[in-house]
Amino acid sequence: EAEVAQSPRYKITEKSQAVAFWCDPISGHATLYWYRQILGQGPELLVQFQDESVVDDSQLPKDRFSAERLKGVDSTLKIQPAELGDSAMYLCASSTPGTSGSYEQYFGPGTRLTVT
Amino acid sequence: QKEVEQNSGPLSVPEGAIASLNCTYSDRGSQSFFWYRQYSGKSPELIMSIYSNGDKEDGRFTAQLNKASQYVSLLIRDSQPSDSATYLCAVKPPGAGSYQLTFGKGTKLSVIP
Repeated sequence: EAEVAQSPRYKITEKSQAVAFWCDPISGHATLYWYRQILGQGPELLVQFQDESVVDDSQLPKDRFSAERLKGVDSTLKIQPAELGDSAMYLCASSTPGTSGSYEQYFGPGTRLTVT
Repeated sequence: QKEVEQNSGPLSVPEGAIASLNCTYSDRGSQSFFWYRQYSGKSPELIMSIYSNGDKEDGRFTAQLNKASQYVSLLIRDSQPSDSATYLCAVKPPGAGSYQLTFGKGTKLSVIP
């Protein structure tokens, strides 16, 4: 069964360090999303890509976060410098139009980030 | 502001009972609605999607949508301890070009053996 791949699964970093997360969407899925989920909350969208283009990054803290999807396939999300408040689960999801244009989103396993 | 509201729970039901999870949304023009299950420490897993008013059944799960009342629910029949998880309601607001979902905070379900 096709799945979204993410790495690393866990990351512990010190405040002010740089950290990067990688995502490989389900093959053929043109739309890729990065979400952040704080414990006890629902996922919140950080950035959405359609192929290699950013569709929505209005919630991405651009002073410290960056995201790219250079060839329209896999994607990297970077944080530099990391802050204590960045501790969260970072989720990648992908979607493609269904038969009804549904765009159901499928999530990867996530990266649990702890900033110390 | 687009909002999706869920009772955070915990909702406790005995094994074999029907669990009823509810969700309301603020954006009247929303067209697509999804239920995700999330086990502790894991990522969300899509379990149901619904786009039209009425009921949609898949195994022990039934999603119900009432767009006039801006209400979507998930029923789990014959609840099992393995159903114990947080259930996230997600809504795609209207508008072409952006497929992002707005998630509720989730309802924690506990099925008691």
